[in-house]
Order: sequence, then C-alpha cells, then structure tokens
Amino acid sequence: QVQLQESGPGLVKPSETLSLTCSVSGGSISSFYWSWIRQPPGRGLEWIGFLYSSGSTHFNASLKSRVTISMDTSKNQFSLKLTSVTAADTAVYYCARVNRDYSYMDVWGKGTTVTVSS
Amino acid sequence: DIQMTQSPSTLSASVGDRVTITCRASQTISSWLAWYQQKPGTAPKLLIYKASTLESEVPSRFSGSGSGTEFTLTISSLQPDDIATYFCQQYNSYSVTFGQGTKVEIK
Repeated sequence: QVQLQESGPGLVKPSETLSLTCSVSGGSISSFYWSWIRQPPGRGLEWIGFLYSSGSTHFNASLKSRVTISMDTSKNQFSLKLTSVTAADTAVYYCARVNRDYSYMDVWGKGTTVTVSS
Repeated sequence: DIQMTQSPSTLSASVGDRVTITCRASQTISSWLAWYQQKPGTAPKLLIYKASTLESEVPSRFSGSGSGTEFTLTISSLQPDDIATYFCQQYNSYSVTFGQGTKVEIK
C-alpha cells in the first residue's frame, strides 16, 4: 500500500525558506493527488495546498503568496517550499494522499517538525 | 472561506457511553465532509468520508451523518482506544478547512 515519508531541515531561520520533501512508496505519484497540511504546537490542522496529478496546484489563500508545491516524477517525490518564514510557521508538517473524487486525505505521512528560530 | 465549527471542544465520557461530536459549516458543503482521529504524537487517521462512509478497517462503532451544514460523528460505545482528538474537514470550491478539534477523554 502507499506510504509517505516527510524529510527536510528541522530548524529554519526567520525570513528564510522552508523546504520539505515527501517520498512516496507503493504507488506512482502521477496516479494520485497530494497535499501538505501543518499543525502548530498544541493547535489544529491547517491545509496548505493540493498538488494534482497533472502537476497543477491550489493553495490556501492565506499562504498562497509564499507557497510552492511541485512534483518530481523521476524520484516519486513531491515537495513544499514556504518562503519568508516566521515563528508562526513553526509546526508539524504532514504530507498526505488526496482522494480524487471527494478531496479527503486517506493516507498520511508521520509528519516532520519544523521550528523557525534564529 | 468556509468555516467549520466543532462542538464540544472537550468531551469527557465513560467507557461504553454513546458519544456525539457536531461539526457545523458556515455554508452548505453537500456531503463533502470527512472525519479524522488523531492520537497524541501521531498523524491524523481517516475515519469517515463523504459524511457517512466508513473507511476500511475502521470499527463499526464509529458512524457519521448529516449533509448541508450540520454533521455528526457518533461513537456508539466509547472504548479506551478511542481517546483522541477528532477533526472534521470540508472540501468546497478548491478549498479545504478543518474544524478546531474535539478532545475525547475518559471520565
């Protein structure tokens, strides 16, 4: 079955760019839709954006100006870049597979903690 | 953006109790609603999608209902393994929002 694994730096300095990768195993990245979601410490879930199998994307309006999501089919991975980070971007970041018909997240990675601090 | 309001924020119940969590949408979302269970330190797990369809291998004591703007998640007989935070999630017009979560505790 499909499994997801997030990776990337656990510490990012303010004003810099957060970069994470989600490695997909057990299925082709080109066959599904994907998403990034984050969860600040002790708080709820915030959707960041979708990546469709075509490579097109759609983002949370509150993050749209700072977010890029892209896929690398040769590595069966997709990535998240968030620019100009602040302490408010400190969170556990999850990647997830998205159901194509109803846009719920049916497979999740374990999450990776990113702290924004100097 | 569509806002999702869950209630209660915290729920304390005894083992075997029937537990109900409500999620209200700020505008109609048809049946585009999912429920997730999250245990501390772990990723959310899909329980229910399309408002009332149980995900594979989820125990049958979980059920979902509703459409339009009001939805419920019911646990028919609370078990110790159900201690977790539950989130609803809507999808509408290329936008996703989650409820703020309901923490379920054992009394």
